[in-house]
Amino acid sequence: AQSVTQLDSQVPVFEEAPVELRCNYSSSVSVYLFWYVQYPNQGLQLLLKYLSGSTLVESINGFEAEFNKSQTSFHLRKPSVHISDTAEYFCAVSHSGGYQKVTFGTGTKLQVIP
Amino acid sequence: GAVVSQHPSWVICKSGTSVKIECRSLDFQATTMFWYRQFPKQSLMLMATSNEGSKATYEQGVEKDKFLINHASLTLSTLTVTSAHPEDSSFYICSAAWRGETQYFGPGTRLLVL
Repeated sequence: AQSVTQLDSQVPVFEEAPVELRCNYSSSVSVYLFWYVQYPNQGLQLLLKYLSGSTLVESINGFEAEFNKSQTSFHLRKPSVHISDTAEYFCAVSHSGGYQKVTFGTGTKLQVIP
Repeated sequence: GAVVSQHPSWVICKSGTSVKIECRSLDFQATTMFWYRQFPKQSLMLMATSNEGSKATYEQGVEKDKFLINHASLTLSTLTVTSAHPEDSSFYICSAAWRGETQYFGPGTRLLVL
């Protein structure tokens, strides 16, 4: 079985400040890791993913996440947030090696304060 | 690329009626489609997984006779909520994947049963 823990349900941060959204996972096998973003009343959009290779992955809008196997973490970071980053962020994990069931964390609401 | 649409985006119905929600992959063929349910301020709960041309696999606790899933083609899956009741009111989100590890999500359908 696999699980995902997002300890922070809400993270308020001032505009242009850095932010880190924490994600820890539990799995007995190799994993794929994902971050999805959900804007109000919308579906989920894939923000970035780690499948293999470089442990640091980046999105087109300035977010990055680093896969840390020893700490079983995949924290999401952005050096300077914008008002438009206000949304719910979900971390997700699946077993690697072809498609497997994806397990989502409970989400972290990022609130950017002007 | 990898666009998934859902129709309708909003539906209000009377208790006891059935509602059909469509999920389409617009620019790729989806060998696997997923249906999720999301309650307010909660994470996504996987309801079922469907592969084109075969019966859906339902998660534990999901009534397959109430939530009918059909995956008739590589670009279309439908979820029918039969004899809907107020407790079925929720946000339903589909996702699609093609022989791979990444799911692409639709924008969601908000169902309100009166």
